[in-house]
Amino acid sequence: DTAVSQTPKYLVTQMGNDKSIKCEQNLGHDTMYWYKQDSKKFLKIMFSYNNKELIINETVPNRFSPKSPDKAHLNLHINSLELGDSAVYFCASSPQGLLSLYEQYFGPGTRLTVT
Amino acid sequence: AQSVAQPEDQVNVAEGNPLTVKCTYSVSGNPYLFWYVQYPNRGLQFLLKYITGDNLVKGSYGFEAEFNKSQTSFHLKKPSALVSDSALYFCAVRDPNAGKSTFGDGTTLTVKP
Repeated sequence: DTAVSQTPKYLVTQMGNDKSIKCEQNLGHDTMYWYKQDSKKFLKIMFSYNNKELIINETVPNRFSPKSPDKAHLNLHINSLELGDSAVYFCASSPQGLLSLYEQYFGPGTRLTVT
Repeated sequence: AQSVAQPEDQVNVAEGNPLTVKCTYSVSGNPYLFWYVQYPNRGLQFLLKYITGDNLVKGSYGFEAEFNKSQTSFHLKKPSALVSDSALYFCAVRDPNAGKSTFGDGTTLTVKP
């Protein structure tokens, strides 16, 4: 059973398009995250939700909009895609919020390529 | 603000030799520290963590790490490296009073036969 799953795994699209990435976790965790890993493999947090409430919103263009319909899902919608959005996007989850001493569980990633 | 540094982009070791991947951190309080590993085209996997207690923590795949408060370090170690340990390793720090984890820039470990 996959703990944190993401769809699609690969996404190739043209500049200006709008796309979504979906994430689901079956671990019963309260907190979910979106990370961006760039071409240099640097990992940066974008958003975090705890019990469907946005708690972290890093300096991310407002073209990126997360949505959490329930505790088990956190989707990422991106409007007007730009070349610089090309990256691997990881979803993650953890128990008990940001102050938790627990580790994060990562999904397999979605490789977004904007042409 | 919290931060974490992995001073080496790349670490090369021969199979069977001990390995060390370095990590130093800066937080205002007592930190929670984590190591994750990323294999090619995969998500990050948790290796081990330090929360409190014994400074030497043991984790998955024979890895261990030593928390050194005076040097603000949390270096990852393994007594005998395997070729299959070759991967990208991330150190992460969380200030339990502030929330949010900060990840280092990663260190690529290459173990040669």
